[in-house]
Amino acid sequence: EVRLLESGGGLVQPGGSLRLSCAASGFTFSSCAMTWVRQAPGKGLEWVSAISGSGFSPYYADSVKGRFTISRDNFRNTLYLQMDSLRPDDTAIYFCAKEVAGDPSPFDYWGQGTLVTVSS
Amino acid sequence: SYVLSQPPSVSVAPGQTARISCGGNNIGTKRVHWYQQKAGQAPVLLVYDNHNRPSGIPDRFSGSNSGNTATLTITRVGAGDEADYYCQVWDTDSDWVFGGGTKLTVL
Repeated sequence: EVRLLESGGGLVQPGGSLRLSCAASGFTFSSCAMTWVRQAPGKGLEWVSAISGSGFSPYYADSVKGRFTISRDNFRNTLYLQMDSLRPDDTAIYFCAKEVAGDPSPFDYWGQGTLVTVSS
Repeated sequence: SYVLSQPPSVSVAPGQTARISCGGNNIGTKRVHWYQQKAGQAPVLLVYDNHNRPSGIPDRFSGSNSGNTATLTITRVGAGDEADYYCQVWDTDSDWVFGGGTKLTVL
């Protein structure tokens, strides 16, 4: 059974940093591209960042480019999102998701999300 | 940047057919994916590559894509189908793009 479990969310002040983690199990992690999607309170889905199975070629939405860094540890089957210079409009539930196969491909499994609140 | 347009809401009576549109410039040349998100839950992949269903998704859900509009069709709608529905495409300039979402209400 595929499982994705996010952690690391919380309350942080504007300008602060946070690192999210996504622990994966039930599939060959290193073979799958992974992605982060966020959802602001009461709003729609916004793609944030994605990374290939090998960990090369990360890419980012313009709204987070230069502030967020995606990475993965294929030995620990874990995906990360380092978030720096956080702003109030980064407040959202952050979901990690597995892409079906090679990148880009749709997201067939999602975690339940972790809430990030940026506020003073 | 590439933009996907969805109606904010669609209402349908139980047992009827709901159609949710997703508009985009020449979207018919792209592969469209659809997600269902029920309140308080993570999204679920409903349809991928315009018309394919992942295992476990009922055949009441179907997709089509042509010209400037992709459509998700849900037949025999029931109360359990109340949710937000999102279309998604990959664009070489914009990367992953989601539509704004459509709230389906079963009357």
